[in-house]
Amino acid sequence: DAKTTQPPSMDCAEGRAANLPCNHSTISGNEYVYWYRQIHSQGPQYIIHGLKNNETNEMASLIITEDRKSSTLILPHATLRDTAVYYCIVRVGFEGGKLIFGQGTELSVKP
Amino acid sequence: NAGVTQTPKFQVLKTGQSMTLQCAQDMNHNSMYWYRQDPGMGLRLIYYSASEGTTDKGEVPNGYNVSRLNKREFSLRLESAAPSQTSVYFCASSGSLGDASRYNEQFFGPGTRLTVL
Repeated sequence: DAKTTQPPSMDCAEGRAANLPCNHSTISGNEYVYWYRQIHSQGPQYIIHGLKNNETNEMASLIITEDRKSSTLILPHATLRDTAVYYCIVRVGFEGGKLIFGQGTELSVKP
Repeated sequence: NAGVTQTPKFQVLKTGQSMTLQCAQDMNHNSMYWYRQDPGMGLRLIYYSASEGTTDKGEVPNGYNVSRLNKREFSLRLESAAPSQTSVYFCASSGSLGDASRYNEQFFGPGTRLTVL
């Protein structure tokens, strides 16, 4: 699986957009980009995933560069409840796939 | 739907004791996983089961055994607990829903907080 690199921490003002970057320069053509978050002491929560095209759901948007070497998770209007550790994971899609959680980005949303 | 449930929520063991952590899912998922998370660290995969009747080792399998009892249930056993196994244990499940990429959309349980003295 391709390795990912994320900043260890970021701050964001409440109500503003939070843009979380992820580098995955060795990604291969059949690997997807997945984003999870973990709110303190809870189990991780799936947010969104994508292959080539930008994706949007009710939680967030995912922007993947044309060369697929990096991506950005966007929380359009961050709230205090979005304070969490965000994990970017690159993985092929198949049954029994093992997710490797790195250190992630600790996002602090401040009033 | 309850999603993924884990029992117990908390447990304290003495070194050398054994115990089984239980996990069940009601989403008809084929794959199930056990992770551990030490303080300030990311999750590490212990064992996983791609489908009923199969299990495979993850990153940190030593000291653990698993049983995929049926499609719904996946248990994790510590035969002789050690202080190094003090951690939070998360169970997860996933299924393709007809799209291979969704096998990595894992649903996690609330965790079991285990302390080994």
